[in-house]
Amino acid sequence: EAQVTQNPRYLITVTGKKLTVTCSQNMNHEYMSWYRQDPGLGLRQIYYSMNVEVTDKGDVPEGYKVSRKEKRNFPLILESPSPNQTSLYFCASSLQVYGEAFFGQGTRLTVV
Amino acid sequence: AQKITQTQPGMFVQEKEAVTLDCTYDTSDQSYGLFWYKQPSSGEMIFLIYQGSYDEQNATEGRYSLNFQKARKSANLVISASQLGDSAMYFCAMRVLNTGNQFYFGTGTSLTVIP
Repeated sequence: EAQVTQNPRYLITVTGKKLTVTCSQNMNHEYMSWYRQDPGLGLRQIYYSMNVEVTDKGDVPEGYKVSRKEKRNFPLILESPSPNQTSLYFCASSLQVYGEAFFGQGTRLTVV
Repeated sequence: AQKITQTQPGMFVQEKEAVTLDCTYDTSDQSYGLFWYKQPSSGEMIFLIYQGSYDEQNATEGRYSLNFQKARKSANLVISASQLGDSAMYFCAMRVLNTGNQFYFGTGTSLTVIP
């Protein structure tokens, strides 16, 4: 089954404790991206990647890191999480140029 | 700058009626795609419909149609014969070729279908 898999689905952590949210897709998509969803703000792009070893900042990259060492994986790293990073996070993948984004199930992160 | 605007934070519709969710977009690029996604209360993002900037016909997918008015830069979603299961958040999105094929999302419209 074609899918984007995010883990974990739910995470509660403390301020400053490094965490990684994993994202993996099995559709051989070149394009992958991370979004955060906050009430009233819609989905805002954090980082995106057009292919292996190619990443670029989206609209809200501060406080986040990503890497794309393999085509299928695109982890999101919060080196020192803060409460304002409490949000619902989505990973998505798509073909390079055309087509819709396929989303993971989302990760609800709470930073206390 | 690329931007998607959804001006209706919340909408109500009677079951079996049609409803239009508004979306306007802003881009100076000629090559772009427009998308609608549905997010039920369970949280997942479900792709509904796509319209390319060069498509002359409005896209349709079952009960969903996209009313594409290029000159007005609008891409409204029309849901016919609303069902209770249509109650959800709906997001309009745009993908622009010359900005690294990024996706841009609106703030969403919450639709409630009343029995």
